Amino acid sequence: DAKTTQPTSMDCAEGRAANLPCNHSTISGNEYVYWYRQIHSQGPQYIIHGLKNNETNEMASLIITEDRKSSTLILPHATLRDTAVYYCIVRKAENAGGTSYGKLTFGQGTILTVHP
Amino acid sequence: GAVVSQHPSRVICKSGTSVKIECRSLDFQATTMFWYRQFPKQSLMLMATSNEGSKATYEQGVEKDKFLINHASLTLSTLTVTSAHPEDSSFYICSAPTVGWEETQYFGPGTRLLVL
Repeated sequence: DAKTTQPTSMDCAEGRAANLPCNHSTISGNEYVYWYRQIHSQGPQYIIHGLKNNETNEMASLIITEDRKSSTLILPHATLRDTAVYYCIVRKAENAGGTSYGKLTFGQGTILTVHP
Repeated sequence: GAVVSQHPSRVICKSGTSVKIECRSLDFQATTMFWYRQFPKQSLMLMATSNEGSKATYEQGVEKDKFLINHASLTLSTLTVTSAHPEDSSFYICSAPTVGWEETQYFGPGTRLLVL
C-alpha cells in the first residue's frame, strides 16, 4: 500500500472548517484513500473513503486532487469533540471475492486540536 | 456503520497471569479480524490477523505462544495474553472488515491492559 504524509499537528477554531491535508504521491490506480480518526483512549473511527471523486457524508468531505497524489479531509464546522488524531491511509478496497485485503498500516497521523 | 465491541474495556492483572480479551462483530460476520496494540503516544501496530477456521497469522516480532488468538465463530475473536508482564501493558484494539465492494474496517473501542 502507498505511503502517506500528513502534518504532525493542526489547530482549528470551533465552528470553523478544519482542512486536513494528506500526500500520497505513490498511490496506484486501484488504491483508495481512507480516513480514520482516534479520539483519546478510544478505538479508531471510520470517517470516509474515496477513489478519485470527491465524497461527502454526514461527518466530512473528502477532496481528492485530479492526479490523486493528495487529498484533503474537510470537517465543515469543527467542534471540540472533533479533537483527535486523524489518519490518512491508502489501500486497495475493491473486493468482491469475499476475503479481506488485510491490515491497515497506520502512520503517525495529524493531531487536530479544536479550540474554543 | 458496522459495530465492533470489545470486552473488557479495561483490566488490571498481576504479573504472570493470563488475560483474555474478546472482540465481537455485532451486526455483520467477519471471517477475518485484526488485533492491534498501541503504546502511549504511539500509533497502532498490527499484532496479528485472526482467521475463522484456521490459525492466526502473526506480524514479525510478535510471539504467537504469548498472544494466543482464537477465532471461534464468524462474530467472535479472542486474544489471550499469557503470563502477562508489565511490558505487556498497552491498549489492545481489534478490527473487523465488512468484506464486499469497497471493504471498510471497523474498530472496537479498545481494551486497556495494566499488568502490575
